[in-house]
Amino acid sequence: NAGVTQTPKFQVLKTGQSMTLQCAQDMNHEYMSWYRQDPGMGLRLIHYSVGAGITDQGEVPNGYNVSRSTTEDFPLRLLSAAPSQTSVYFCASSDRPDYGYTFGSGTRLTVV
Amino acid sequence: SQQGEEDPQALSIQEGENATMNCSYKTSINNLQWYRQNSGRGLVHLILIRSNEREKHSGRLRVTLDTSKKSSSLLITASRAADTASYFCATGGGSNYKLTFGKGTLLTVNP
Repeated sequence: NAGVTQTPKFQVLKTGQSMTLQCAQDMNHEYMSWYRQDPGMGLRLIHYSVGAGITDQGEVPNGYNVSRSTTEDFPLRLLSAAPSQTSVYFCASSDRPDYGYTFGSGTRLTVV
Repeated sequence: SQQGEEDPQALSIQEGENATMNCSYKTSINNLQWYRQNSGRGLVHLILIRSNEREKHSGRLRVTLDTSKKSSSLLITASRAADTASYFCATGGGSNYKLTFGKGTLLTVNP
């Protein structure tokens, strides 16, 4: 099983550029989430989805968009990158959130 | 805002010793989960304890939960160098699909 796959692993963007962080899972999980991890801040929830076609905002949604057209994929879009979005981004999925989440290996994004 | 706060922020022990990490949280929860993160990797789910449970074991892991004090502890017994990692607690509230993480404890186990 591939689990949760995130691409790319590393990315450098210039301020104002846009990009999409990809997340795919092959476990038929309904629940998917995006987190960002900053030094000393732990993980903060950006957006989440409880099924195809259903998304909602988390704690830090500004500057990010998501969509969930299929169960498998949950891309995160940065419309106009800012240095404050320099972070490590993690995607996670679950079929039973009260049993825990499976995390991807992360995307390290630097905005210069 | 962070729901959980781990204590200590960093812990260094010798192989074979026990490691105890604590987590405090602010609001009512349905469950509390512990995750491990090795350097540069994603998080791995370790153990979950529900709000109606007081203690849970899994291998060398023991988790306790005190809802009256809004606190939890994670004990790793007979630690190994491979246990070196950051450990995070995460709380699930009424909407279980939203987890709120603490800032983590960095555990270093010296050979």
